[in-house]
Amino acid sequence: AAGVIQSPRHLIKEKRETATLKCYPIPRHDTVYWYQQGPGQDPQFLISFYEKMQSDKGSIPDRFSAQQFSDYHSELNMSSLELGDSALYFCASSQRTGAADTEAFFGQGTRLTVV
Amino acid sequence: AQKVTQAQTEISVVEKEDVTLDCVYETRDTTYYLFWYKQPPSGELVFLIRRNSFDEQNEISGRYSWNFQKSTSSFNFTITASQVVDSAVYFCALSEATSGTYKYIFGTGTRLKVLA
Repeated sequence: AAGVIQSPRHLIKEKRETATLKCYPIPRHDTVYWYQQGPGQDPQFLISFYEKMQSDKGSIPDRFSAQQFSDYHSELNMSSLELGDSALYFCASSQRTGAADTEAFFGQGTRLTVV
Repeated sequence: AQKVTQAQTEISVVEKEDVTLDCVYETRDTTYYLFWYKQPPSGELVFLIRRNSFDEQNEISGRYSWNFQKSTSSFNFTITASQVVDSAVYFCALSEATSGTYKYIFGTGTRLKVLA
């Protein structure tokens, strides 16, 4: 079965550079979530999109932005990278069904290292 | 406020032992969802189970079982006859229906080490 695809899997950037992470949700899933997991931490919600519109925002720095495109894939853009941005970034997708979502399925994550 | 507490930071057991991972949650919603995810050393998050707040029936799936008790706001996870491959970090998560987005609030995770 198709899963959530994230690219790249690994990324190394220098401080103050820019990074773009991509997420391709499971077909027919209309909701995308982004999470950030620092070393030894639990995943923290960043932002979500439903039907290409931002649906919620968590603890996402102003240096980060994201969008969901017409084909439902999503991109997380990160600028002026800092050492503290080094983390595992997960994308998850789910499908809105009436008053509830299906469970979210997570991609394998993008490990970002800022040096 | 919504919150998930996994008080056990790390648990070590010997293979074939049973182990229970605790999860306590806080929410003001009457409709919510609880989840368990497994994160092996490779890093991906593997979905294990989803429970909605209206279904307190316990569930068993092979060696895994879950005990949902609304009275104590707990959703505990038991692995029977543990195996080395069960070694991972396990996260409990909460999603509230009224948030509108169903984002997950994760607990801090429990690292399970199963020794051969």
